Amino acid sequence: SYELTQPPSVSVSPGQTARITCSGDALPKQYSYWYQQKPGQAPVLVIYKDSERPSGIPERFSGSSSGTTVTLTITGVQAEDEAGYSCQSADSSGTSVFGGGTKLTVL
Amino acid sequence: QVQLQESGPGLVKPSETLSLTCTVSGGSVSSDSCYWSWIRQPPGKGLEWIGYIYFSGSTNYNPSLRSRVTISVDTSKNQFSLKLTSVTAADTAVYFCASQTLDLYYAMDVWGQGTTVTVSS
Repeated sequence: SYELTQPPSVSVSPGQTARITCSGDALPKQYSYWYQQKPGQAPVLVIYKDSERPSGIPERFSGSSSGTTVTLTITGVQAEDEAGYSCQSADSSGTSVFGGGTKLTVL
Repeated sequence: QVQLQESGPGLVKPSETLSLTCTVSGGSVSSDSCYWSWIRQPPGKGLEWIGYIYFSGSTNYNPSLRSRVTISVDTSKNQFSLKLTSVTAADTAVYFCASQTLDLYYAMDVWGQGTTVTVSS
């Protein structure tokens, strides 16, 4: 199985742009997904298929892909965006893997 | 709107079998457009995918857990279940069930609230 690597933490001030990266060898060939998780709650899907936003997710959340790295961008960060963010992908057999998670702190 | 709810014992003794059930409402485990998944999260750690089952009964498991995991589906009760054998303290975690939907390219779009399982004597 392969691994997805995320930075443990990212900090931004309100109104700034947060970028959270996720790196993995299979990412050029497989879709990526991003989940937001607040303490004591279940994860919530915020990005699927690298850059698509599910209904109900604010437009300030976007995703992009370049080579072996995918990026979750939050433009105009708000205090309510403080949470853990995890990327997820799968290999060609359908076996899923999650990144280690990134704690976003809004200063 | 599909909703998922995990249930099962919150305390399991070492070496015994952990058994959890996920009840599906607002949808059907017999749907051919969903995979039904289990994910866990040890205290203070990241998410770990355990495996999924398709309505046909076909399964796919995390290689690191494959020897101890069984996921099954009960269409009559609209439930799917997880069994994890020979548990140790390392299996202490919040366990989530989730659906992976074809419409969203098999993203895990619906999650249960999670259930905490502690392995201790």
